Parts: sequence; C-alpha cells; structure tokens
Amino acid sequence: DAKTTQPTSMDCAEGRAANLPCNHSTISGNEYVYWYRQIHSQGPQYIIHGLKNNETNEMASLIITEDRKSSTLILPHATLRDTAVYYCIVMVPSGTYKYIFGTGTRLKVLA
Amino acid sequence: GAVVSQHPSRVICKSGTSVKIECRSLDFQATTMFWYRQFPKQSLMLMATSNEGSKATYEQGVEKDKFLINHASLTLSTLTVTSAHPEDSSFYICSARDRGGAGNQPQHFGDGTRLSIL
Repeated sequence: DAKTTQPTSMDCAEGRAANLPCNHSTISGNEYVYWYRQIHSQGPQYIIHGLKNNETNEMASLIITEDRKSSTLILPHATLRDTAVYYCIVMVPSGTYKYIFGTGTRLKVLA
Repeated sequence: GAVVSQHPSRVICKSGTSVKIECRSLDFQATTMFWYRQFPKQSLMLMATSNEGSKATYEQGVEKDKFLINHASLTLSTLTVTSAHPEDSSFYICSARDRGGAGNQPQHFGDGTRLSIL
C-alpha cells in the first residue's frame, strides 16, 4: 500500500501559486519524498525530491515539515500546462528502490 | 536530462498474440528497471522489478508466466505480454535508475505503451 495520502483534486487559477499537500505520517528517517506529475497519456515526469530540508528547482519548491510527516509542493506561478495528476512518493534510497504510487492529486489550472 | 525510451508507443493486436514492449535508457546505464501498469483513471501499479543479468522480481498477484521480463543489457529491458487477452489492455510504463548516480536519485520514466487487445 502507498504510504502517502493526497487530496483527490484541486483547482488553481492561472498565474497563482499552486500548493499541493501530501501526508506521509509513517515516513521513516531515511525515506526521501519524491514528487512527479503525469500529464494525460504520458509517463510520469520528475519534479523534485528531498529528505528534510526545503528544496527548490526551476520547476517547483518542496516544503517538508519539521517532523517530516507531511510536505507541500509549490508551483509558484501555475500555467495551463501544469494541469496534471501530481504524485507524492516516499522511498528508502536502498534495497529495492521501489516506488509505490498513491492516488495522486488531479490539479486543474483554470484560465 | 536522463531519457528513457519506450517502444512501441501504441499497439493494437488480436487476442491470443504475444506483444513485446521495449524500454531503453538512452544516456545512462540501468541495472534496475521497473514495469508499471495503469488502467484508465487509476494510479500506476508496480508490476515487477527488472534486474540486469538476473531474474525479475514480480509483485504479488502478477503472473510471471504471463508477463515475461528480460533485462539482458544495461540499457534495455523488455516486457512480453504472452497470449494477450482483452483484459490485458492497459497503459504499460517503464522506469529506470541510473547505476552511476546516488542512491536517492529519482527514477526516470518512459512515455508508456498503450496496449489494446481486440
């Protein structure tokens, strides 16, 4: 079973920040948090990942709470092309390296 | 960035035929690749882990004789759906890990293969 829970869907106005939450309350100390998105009929696209510090790249920011039980992916200025299903995954970077996908959040960016 | 290529992107065939899907890492070597299946409006479900030079590891409930996996080189894994039937129709996606990267590096996904069995 997936170790993450996310809201089923969210809407965001174009140009505004999209904040996508993820709960991973049973995360262990060595598990990383990964975010991917999937645009219709394509493979998942990597966005960002982190362990405990906040991370930022050209696509997004990842905010991880101090207790690491939840995180938020922030798309600072959402565009229509950001409409997709966003998946939050936790994984131990050793052993099997398996990803177990949850149901994800369907983000719709509105014009 | 790292690229994973899947081929074919779409295949339609008759019931009872076998279908082979290829997953290639184009600019890195991958000792481990993963195969997923996704039904409409559902999430990705991990089917198996493909290990270069050894047998694949299948998830519970996935028939290994139905879904044959071969990982004969560091850049290629294949999934063969044997004697395919309409219920095997789905979107099949692969991912790969760069053997030369750190343990926490992300997996890279292909663009998927849409399989339709008539």
